[in-house]
Order: sequence, then structure tokens, then C-alpha cells
Amino acid sequence: QQQVKQSPQSLIVQKGGISIINCAYENTAFDYFPWYQQFPGKGPALLIAIRPDVSEKKEGRFTISFNKSAKQFSLHIMDSQPGDSATYFCAASRGSSGGTPLVFGKGTRLSVIA
Amino acid sequence: GAVVSQHPSWVICKSGTSVKIECRSLDFQATTMFWYRQFPKQSLMLMATSNEGSKATYEQGVEKDKFLINHASLTLSTLTVTSAHPEDSSFYICSGGSGREQYFGPGTRLTVT
Repeated sequence: QQQVKQSPQSLIVQKGGISIINCAYENTAFDYFPWYQQFPGKGPALLIAIRPDVSEKKEGRFTISFNKSAKQFSLHIMDSQPGDSATYFCAASRGSSGGTPLVFGKGTRLSVIA
Repeated sequence: GAVVSQHPSWVICKSGTSVKIECRSLDFQATTMFWYRQFPKQSLMLMATSNEGSKATYEQGVEKDKFLINHASLTLSTLTVTSAHPEDSSFYICSGGSGREQYFGPGTRLTVT
């Protein structure tokens, strides 16, 4: 049972465009939703995260939109750059501390072309 | 963000030998650390949850006698792959929690020949 479904599997965006990656979750107990960026041969790096009490969070060019009723959240990368080319993972967890494991989506391979 | 290191970054070993991977939280204390395994072009698969001073909790299908985890202190967890076989070749990544955030190490590439 896949608890976090991520789409698309791969994405090609023109430089300067907007990259949009979507995730849907099933477990309503999830209350923390981070996005990670991973470059080949490296560990995932935390990009941005959101809690269900807000509908949107923005950090620089990265924005998370959260729809609690639809159990969906998405990552928007504005003004996409070739350096943003990486694999992006959404994740979810529940609980009040860092002692709860993350459930990951399957990842989206983003390619930003000039 | 918080920093997690792993050592070694890559290792090649012969089939039947054991390999130890270290995971350290450099600027925070991690009561809980997690070990993941990642195959090429796939997502991270949780192997086990490691709590300082207690036995690790393994995910279903992960052999606890093969993947020995020790969480000796709040800043160090180790994963030992015992009697490694070629099918154990993978990218192993640890993470540590600080508040709600989890920070990942750079990963260890294990190749068993």
C-alpha cells in the first residue's frame, strides 16, 4: 500500500518556467509534509516543509501548496533553473517529534533545459 | 540545516565479508536515527529505526541479523552489513531527527563483488 503517491514520475521544464510536482496522501494522521531534493550520488536535502494548519508556504523560489480536504500537496518551483535539475521527493510523517519515520513518494526527476 | 555525516562514502567489499557504516549528527543530538536503502532511480526504503541506547526497530522484510544497527550515543549510529552478498549492493543513507525535521547524510555506496 503506497501511502504517498507522487506525480509526475519525470518532468521537463524550460529554464525560467514553473515546475509543479504533486503528491497525495491517504493517512489523515499525517501532520508534517516535507519536500526533499536529491542530486545523483548524494543524500536528500530538506527543501521546505509544511504543516496542515497552513495552506501555503513559500521559501524563495519554492512554494508548497497544501489542500487538507483533498489530501494533496504540491511543490512549485518558480523561475526554474538548470541547477534545479534533480530528483524531488515528497514525504509525510505523523507524530510530534523527529522520532517518526518519513513515508516517501516515489520521486520526480526534474530536468530544466535552457 | 543540521548536518549529518556518513563514513565511508563508498566501499567495495568481497562477498562474505562484513562492512560497517557510520552515521554521525555533527551539530545536533539525535535520539532517533533512521537507516534507508535506495536502489538506482528508486525512492528511499526505510530499513530500520535506531533509538539511542535501545534495540533498533526493523521494517518488515529487513533481516535484523544481517543488518546490525547500533546507536551508541546521541550523535552516532552504525550499520553493519554482515556476510555481504552482491544483492546487498546499494546506496545506504542515514538520517537524524531534530524537532520535526529529518536531515540526511550524504549516503554510502556499497558494492559487493
